[in-house]
Amino acid sequence: DGGITQSPKYLFRKEGQNVTLSCEQNLNHDAMYWYRQDPGQGLRLIYYSQIVNDFQKGDIAEGYSVSREKKESFPLTVTSAQKNPTAFYLCASSLFDGPLGEKLFFGSGTQLSVL
Amino acid sequence: QQQVKQSPQSLIVQKGGISIINCAYENTAFDYFPWYQQFPGKGPALLIAIRPDVSEKKEGRFTISFNKSAKQFSLHIMDSQPGDSATYFCAARLYSVAGGTSYGKLTFGQGTILTVHP
Repeated sequence: DGGITQSPKYLFRKEGQNVTLSCEQNLNHDAMYWYRQDPGQGLRLIYYSQIVNDFQKGDIAEGYSVSREKKESFPLTVTSAQKNPTAFYLCASSLFDGPLGEKLFFGSGTQLSVL
Repeated sequence: QQQVKQSPQSLIVQKGGISIINCAYENTAFDYFPWYQQFPGKGPALLIAIRPDVSEKKEGRFTISFNKSAKQFSLHIMDSQPGDSATYFCAARLYSVAGGTSYGKLTFGQGTILTVHP
């Protein structure tokens, strides 16, 4: 099955701990994204990558880091510098159709909570 | 300039009724306006989308109305069904070309929780 796989589905972080959220896609998409979802705030862009070995900060990158060593993988690390990490994290990849539009394919998300 | 404002935050509709969700934007450089549907515990999925050179787009029971001069667009769900109960997000895209690479960046609205009562 083609799609985006996020793991784990639930994750708990202790104070001062870094945690890494996994995102893998087999859609052969060049672009991948990480969004954070909080109730009443919609989806906010954390980081995005248009191509392997390159990525850009989104609107709320502080306290997060990413890597893009393979086209299929775009892991997100929530560092101890992120003081309010409890949220639903969504990974996406996109089929970019230039001026005609863009379709994001989302994973099923990871719910991160602080112990 | 990057913000997309969505209303209402929540909406309750009876089965068979019309659901209407509104979005407004400021940045006239946005060039593509999709709507995403999200069920609890799942990621959003593209529902329908429109480009600003079109005033309306219909797919089944779902219609986007677009008012370029007012910088507003809305989603209409006709004959709403309990299975339509979900969170709906509008979004707007900036399309850019830099260094020979073209890419898009979506900005999402705050979301609307739709509940359709049987």
